[in-house]
Amino acid sequence: AQSVSQHNHHVILSEAASLELGCNYSYGGTVNLFWYVQYPGQHLQLLLKYFSGDPLVKGIKGFEAEFIKSKFSFNLRKPSVQWSDTAEYFCAVTAGGNNRLAFGKGNQVVVIP
Amino acid sequence: GAGVSQTPSNKVTEKGKYVELRCDPISGHTALYWYRQSLGQGPEFLIYFQGTGAADDSGLPNDRFFAVRPEGSVSTLKIQRTERGDSAVYLCASSLRGGTYNSPLHFGNGTRLTVT
Repeated sequence: AQSVSQHNHHVILSEAASLELGCNYSYGGTVNLFWYVQYPGQHLQLLLKYFSGDPLVKGIKGFEAEFIKSKFSFNLRKPSVQWSDTAEYFCAVTAGGNNRLAFGKGNQVVVIP
Repeated sequence: GAGVSQTPSNKVTEKGKYVELRCDPISGHTALYWYRQSLGQGPEFLIYFQGTGAADDSGLPNDRFFAVRPEGSVSTLKIQRTERGDSAVYLCASSLRGGTYNSPLHFGNGTRLTVT
């Protein structure tokens, strides 16, 4: 079964700082990759996704992620964060054609105004 | 429009009791998923319905857990003889056709289950 690793569970940074969250998965075949975000008191929302094509994916709110197949990674980035980016971010993967999303443990990101 | 609705939002029960958690998916969504999120963890897959049938129930932890979707819309997750380790947030998600590129998952706010 596929698994997902996210590092640096708690991240604290100031507004305008750059953000990068790491995500590594363990599956050697074709994967579909996702980042979900959960703002305080809200439900999980899709931030961006990768299925095929350009490995640099752009999502909502200025986020982007890069799929590097050789590193089994799908890191999330934002050049300049805002206070409203305070949230928990989850990397997720489906593999082998199944519909089971496997999530990482998440990154709790706090942006200080 | 209306999103995925889960009731109750909170449920406290005693060890050994039976509980039912309800999920109302977005109208017209044929795929429905249940996940469980324990404290400090990401959501963990439990079961996936396509229409009325369970297409994948490989994530159900044991036979105390059961889920139904009799009319292909509302789903109920049932937990028998609850244990303290069942305490978690139970998430429901639906999608139009299944987890494909143009059919993303829409999550509900979850039911927080506490077993005392």
